[in-house]
Amino acid sequence: GAVVSQHPSWVICKSGTSVKIECRSLDFQATTMFWYRQFPKQSLMLMATSNEGSKATYEQGVEKDKFLINHASLTLSTLTVTSAHPEDSSFYICSARGQDGIEAFFGQGTRLTVV
Amino acid sequence: SQQGEEDPQALSIQEGENATMNCSYKTSINNLQWYRQNSGRGLVHLILIRSNEREKHSGRLRVTLDTSKKSSSLLITASRAADTASYFCAADTSGTYKYIFGTGTRLKVLA
Repeated sequence: GAVVSQHPSWVICKSGTSVKIECRSLDFQATTMFWYRQFPKQSLMLMATSNEGSKATYEQGVEKDKFLINHASLTLSTLTVTSAHPEDSSFYICSARGQDGIEAFFGQGTRLTVV
Repeated sequence: SQQGEEDPQALSIQEGENATMNCSYKTSINNLQWYRQNSGRGLVHLILIRSNEREKHSGRLRVTLDTSKKSSSLLITASRAADTASYFCAADTSGTYKYIFGTGTRLKVLA
C-alpha cells in the first residue's frame, strides 16, 4: 500500500506555544487529506478534511482558529495547534487519499503532550 | 454523532479461542476497513472490504459485511497473545472518503 509519513511521532510542548505536525504522502499525490484526534482509550474523531489548494473543512465542534490546516502541495499537509493547552494533549493522525484511490492511507500518528 | 458503534467494548479470551467483534454504522458506505492499534501506537491496517463484497479473508482474519443491516464483523481465529490490542472499524462514507471510526473493541488474549 501507499506510504503516509507523519512528523514528529511525538512532541512535548509548553502551554501557550504552537506545534506543527506534518503529514506527507511519500509515493503518491494526495488530493485529499484528513486529520483525526484520539483521546486516551477513545476512538478516532475526524477533525477536518483538506483538499490541496483550498481551505480545510472542519467538523462540527472543531475550532478552525485553533487547529490550522494547510495543504499547500499534493504531498504535504500540516496541522498547527496554536496556543496549545493541556487539554489539547492527544494522539493526532492524518490520512491521505490519492486522486484515483478508493481508500485512504494513515500515517503513524503524533502524540502531543502539552505541559 | 456520526461515530459507528462497536461491540463488545472489551473482550477477554484465552489463547487459541476465536474472537468476534461487531461494528455498526449509520450511513451508506463505499468500503469499510478494520484496523488494529496497540496501546499508544499508530493504526495497523488489517483488511478492507468493499460495499459490493460480503466476506473477505486474510490469514486468520475473516470480515463480513451486511450493507442491509449496516454492520460488519471481524473474526480472529486461533487467537494469540500478540493479538491483544484495540480493534477499530472505519467506514468510508459514500463519495467523501472520510472514514468514520467505530468506538473500538479492546481485545485481551490471555496466554
